[in-house]
Amino acid sequence: QKEVEQNSGPLSVPEGAIASLNCTYSDRVSQSFFWYRQYSGKSPELIMSIYSNGDKEDGRFTAQLNKASQYVSLLIRDSQPSDSATYLCAVKGGGGTSYGKLTFGQGTILTVHP
Amino acid sequence: GAGVSQSPSNKVTEKGKDVELRCDPISGHTALYWYRQSLGQGLEFLIYFQGNSAPDKSGLPSDRFSAERTGGSVSTLTIQRTQQEDSAVYLCASSLGPTNEKLFFGSGTQLSVL
Repeated sequence: QKEVEQNSGPLSVPEGAIASLNCTYSDRVSQSFFWYRQYSGKSPELIMSIYSNGDKEDGRFTAQLNKASQYVSLLIRDSQPSDSATYLCAVKGGGGTSYGKLTFGQGTILTVHP
Repeated sequence: GAGVSQSPSNKVTEKGKDVELRCDPISGHTALYWYRQSLGQGLEFLIYFQGNSAPDKSGLPSDRFSAERTGGSVSTLTIQRTQQEDSAVYLCASSLGPTNEKLFFGSGTQLSVL
């Protein structure tokens, strides 16, 4: 079982719709969770971080965390064509990892069509 | 510098040759990470530096891979006797310190082994 799993997609949504991206992780002691956006041919860019159960909102982005279910998601409201990218879920391991080493999922390709 | 700088941006080499990839982190960032991204895959952790020391080398795939960091700044990833399976994008990231989880990525080196 992969440590961090995402549906690779592609996920296609119309402009203005809500895009829902999902991620599950296997390490129960993980404490920190991140969403990175990667445009084609570019480097990953951090867009959201979440540490506590529940929702965290930042503009059109909402991250959701459920540690009991080992599940983290990213919602993008009012999706725009400029949101088309690969979204990478990343988890910071627990169990004494005291530095920022992240384990990444394989990414979900999102396409927002006009 | 303004961001994480990597060079070269592209490297084509023949199987069996050695290659060196360079990373210049953001000034003042003490933590430095190397990741590898194969086509359609997520990021695979290779090695972590804190200052000039590498407390975690667990992701290096084989003894053909080595890395060093000097002056707490520039890092070099060396791959000896390259193989076709080494073809990937090699990404470098830095952060302010060992407990800082916000990673800033460089634009990567696309390595192609023929």
